[in-house]
Order: sequence, then C-alpha cells, then structure tokens
Amino acid sequence: NAGVTQTPKFQVLKTGQSMTLQCAQDMNHNSMYWYRQDPGMGLRLIYYSASEGTTDKGEVPNGYNVSRLNKREFSLRLESAAPSQTSVYFCASSDRFGTGATNEKLFFGSGTQLSVL
Amino acid sequence: RKEVEQDPGPFNVPEGATVAFNCTYSNSASQSFFWYRQDCRKEPKLLMSVYSSGNEDGRFTAQLNRASQYISLLIRDSKLSDSATYLCVVPPGGYNKLIFGAGTRLAVHP
Repeated sequence: NAGVTQTPKFQVLKTGQSMTLQCAQDMNHNSMYWYRQDPGMGLRLIYYSASEGTTDKGEVPNGYNVSRLNKREFSLRLESAAPSQTSVYFCASSDRFGTGATNEKLFFGSGTQLSVL
Repeated sequence: RKEVEQDPGPFNVPEGATVAFNCTYSNSASQSFFWYRQDCRKEPKLLMSVYSSGNEDGRFTAQLNRASQYISLLIRDSKLSDSATYLCVVPPGGYNKLIFGAGTRLAVHP
C-alpha cells in the first residue's frame, strides 16, 4: 500500500530558482494538505485542498502556490525560492477529517528535505 | 500565548518507567484533540485521538482537562521503541486548519 507519495525526497536550490513538489495519494481521499516543519516550531499548514477543484490558504502561504491536479494529486510550487523556505515539507491527505468520525486522521507522506542556498 | 504549547524535553527515562507529557491549548472551542508520534526524520503518525475526557490504548493513556485547557499523554512501562517526538494537535474550530505543537522528545534508555 503506497498511501501518500511525495517526490523528491531531497532537493537543494539556489535563491531565486523554482521547483514543484509532487504529492499523490491512492486512498481516494477528498482532502489534501501541504505542511512545512521547522525546528522548534511544529508543523505549519501552507495550503490545503478540501476537495478536488478547491484550494485554500493555510497559516504560511506566502511564496507558495498549489495545484489540485485531480483527486489523487496535489502539488506545491515555489516560484522563486528563498533561504527562509529551507524546511522539511510534508504532504498529507484525509477522508474522515471534519466528519466527526472516530477514525479521522491525517496520512502523511515521507517528507521532502529542501535546502535553499 | 501560543495556540498549542508543549514542553520540548527531552525526557530521558529508563526502560519500564512511566512518563507523562502535557500540552496546553488556548482555544476553548476545540472539541477533539490528537497525539501524533514522529520518529527521527520520518513522517508523523497518529497515536491517539481524544474526544471526551480521555482515551486509553494499551500502555498509552490520553486525558483531557477542558477546565484547565490541557491534554496529557501517559506512557506506562516505557520501551526503547517509544523513543520519538510526540506532537499534540488541536483543531481550533476548523479541521482543515490544525495546529501542531512543536513536540516533546522522549528518549528511553536501557
């Protein structure tokens, strides 16, 4: 079972370069999320897509764009990378979240370690 | 005050010990809470959900104190494999905008 697949696992960019982080889930989930994790700060939501065709800003959206390509795929794009975007990025998906179901949870991808020099 | 606060630790305990972590939250509207476990350089994974006063799963017990706005995680009979960072997660009125605590690191030694 693949679950949530993120690519690439590691990336080094120079300031000003652009790149797209790819995320795909095979669990038929409606909701998908992009988080970043920095030391001592916990995970912070960048963007989310509650369902196919919709995207919304999270807590720290500046400098990022997203595309919900279809129900399976949700990509994160850095148009002009900055050193402040050096972080670990996690994609996540969920089907039950917000439904009040007792088995609601997020499924995370294995993360992308991004360094911007 | 941060929306979710956790003692970063590390908590260094011997095998077999009982250890407890607290997590305080500021938004009293939150109805449910979660503990996630994150191993070093890995993705977070759900450990426990807390919907009412508490939840128990084997050696793990989560308790909720709404009056004081904190949740706790108790681990009994600690194992080496329990070494990880434990993240407290709160949905303050919106499940699509979860707030993650910075995590509490646990190190269990022989």
